[in-house]
Order: sequence, then structure tokens, then C-alpha cells
Amino acid sequence: ETGVTQSPTHLIKTRGQQVTLRCSSQSGHNTVSWYQQALGQGPQFIFQYYREEENGRGNFPPRFSGLQFPNYSSELNVNALELDDSALYLCASSALIGPSYEQYFGPGTRLTVT
Amino acid sequence: ILNVEQSPQSLHVQEGDSTNFTCSFPSSNFYALHWYRWETAKSPEALFVMTLNGDEKKKGRISATLNTKEGYSYLYIKGSQPEDSATYLCAFPHGSGNTGKLIFGQGTTLQVKP
Repeated sequence: ETGVTQSPTHLIKTRGQQVTLRCSSQSGHNTVSWYQQALGQGPQFIFQYYREEENGRGNFPPRFSGLQFPNYSSELNVNALELDDSALYLCASSALIGPSYEQYFGPGTRLTVT
Repeated sequence: ILNVEQSPQSLHVQEGDSTNFTCSFPSSNFYALHWYRWETAKSPEALFVMTLNGDEKKKGRISATLNTKEGYSYLYIKGSQPEDSATYLCAFPHGSGNTGKLIFGQGTTLQVKP
């Protein structure tokens, strides 16, 4: 196992509600990236946080927002949930930012929006 | 829009068979190519980060090669075992600077029958 943990494991929400997903990065890692994996697709990059600042964002609307805390753990917040937000949400941590640095993934949070 | 494509989408082999699959990625502005192994209900596990044209990396029975000029990487599994059953993902970092934003392929799902 990677040492990256996510909570909760599963979540069911209703359309229009808000959700917060949490990620604890591996010890010593200061960078956290969030990905959404819809059924049948590869993970899609949402955004990355480096030392508590957003450092790159994918093609996701502003209702997807995040935070990184001084201990480098992170939250993903999604407002005004839509049915298409149903997916597995993965976070990944790395020691340094950079395209060739390994990212270590958590097990994911399965979000179902009804 | 950058595309990372993997083929085949799924593969069923018998125990002991050797197999390989392909990842195609944009050949311009190459930084690195990542391979991940993702077993059901677990975290994606980093296999290789490949950075040099002609690179060949090996981990037990799994090896990978890289051709950055033509934009492809092959993953080989020698003598497949049931425990190799997983989805194998490749990812290409994209973005200016060092965001480390990973663009994933849709994955190749390998099923090894005993």
C-alpha cells in the first residue's frame, strides 16, 4: 500500500447537494493531485495542490474546488452535484512536483449522485 | 487536445502466456511516460516512469520499452500469472512548467485464466 488514504470510501448524494472528499498524503509529500475516473475511462486530472496553493487545473468547472492544509492533506469540494459527477475520485501525492516524479495513489472515494 | 491511447482495451490470456500491450502518446514536448497497475479495489500502483528514448525498464516478469520519436511504449508480461490480472494504465504528463498533470489512457484490462 502507498500510505495515501482517502475518506470516505463510498458516498451517496442527491443532485444539487455539496460534497467534501478528503485525502491524507504520504509522509513527506507536499504535492497532491486529484483525479476523476468515470466508468470505462482512465482517470482525468482535476487539479493539483503544491504547498497549499493550486498548481494546475484540468477541464473541470469552478464548482470543483480544493484545499490543501499545512500538513499537506487535501480536500476536494464539489458544489451543486450533477448526475455526471458520479465517479471514483482518486488523490495522488508526490514528494516534488514534476512530470517525471512518481505519484502515489489512494484507493479512491466512490461517489454516487442520485 | 492531447490523447493517450491504449490497446487493446481488454485481453484474456491463459496462465503462462506472454502478452504485451501498447500505449500511444504525443511525440512532441515529451517529459516522461508513466505506467501503472491497478487491481480491483486497490490503489493504482506505479510500475515505471520512463524518461529516455530507447529506455527499457524491468520489474520481475514485467518490462516496458519507450520510443519517444514515434510516440509509443510497450508493456510486456512474461509468463502471465493469475495475480497479474489488473488494469494497466499509461499516463503522459502535460502542462507547462512542472505541474505533473497526468493524462491517462483508458487502460488495458488483463484477465489471466488459471
